[in-house]
Amino acid sequence: EAGVTQFPSHSVIEKGQTVTLRCDPISGHDNLYWYRRVMGKEIKFLLHFVKESKQDESGMPNNRFLAERTGGTYSTLKVQPAELEDSGVYFCASSPKGQPQHFGDGTRLSIL
Amino acid sequence: GNSVTQMEGPVTLSEEAFLTINCTYTATGYPSLFWYVQYPGEGLQLLLKATKADDKGSNKGFEATYRKETTSFHLEKGSVQVSDSAVYFCAFAKGFQKLVFGTGTRLLVSP
Repeated sequence: EAGVTQFPSHSVIEKGQTVTLRCDPISGHDNLYWYRRVMGKEIKFLLHFVKESKQDESGMPNNRFLAERTGGTYSTLKVQPAELEDSGVYFCASSPKGQPQHFGDGTRLSIL
Repeated sequence: GNSVTQMEGPVTLSEEAFLTINCTYTATGYPSLFWYVQYPGEGLQLLLKATKADDKGSNKGFEATYRKETTSFHLEKGSVQVSDSAVYFCAFAKGFQKLVFGTGTRLLVSP
């Protein structure tokens, strides 16, 4: 079975620009999560979708971040406008109900 | 608040040495506990898990026991290999929901 895939693997943009990260979960997984790891610190939860609905978005840092999951399939995470402190690795994970999460390889975001 | 504390790295060992990476957590109730591993250039992979007190998770020679009395989930392996070099993350979740992670411990194993 195909794993969780994330695009792009690496993005370098300038402060003030917009970036959109994409995550394709494992087929059939209703749960989709976004996390990020900043500057070698702990990996922090951003938000959780169940199908197309936002179950928990308590980890979203501010309103510059917008996540969507159209049709309950793939998800996008948009950062607009990007700031320096947004640099880090963004992970996506998916899972069936009541099962552990499977992670993608992450998107490394660098804001210059 | 909810948090995970794990030992800082890097942990540097020679091949076949014994490994312990300490992990303690702060959480209410009875969370599920996990160890994830990130090999160089790859994403996070679930290494092992335990869902209730005194459960032992094991995989690829690694073990960790859910200790409710000490709120710990220490990772151990009897004989490490060079291929075990990676970053190891301890984490917990309530009912397999959002994960709370530690900062990660880098393990470097030399031949």
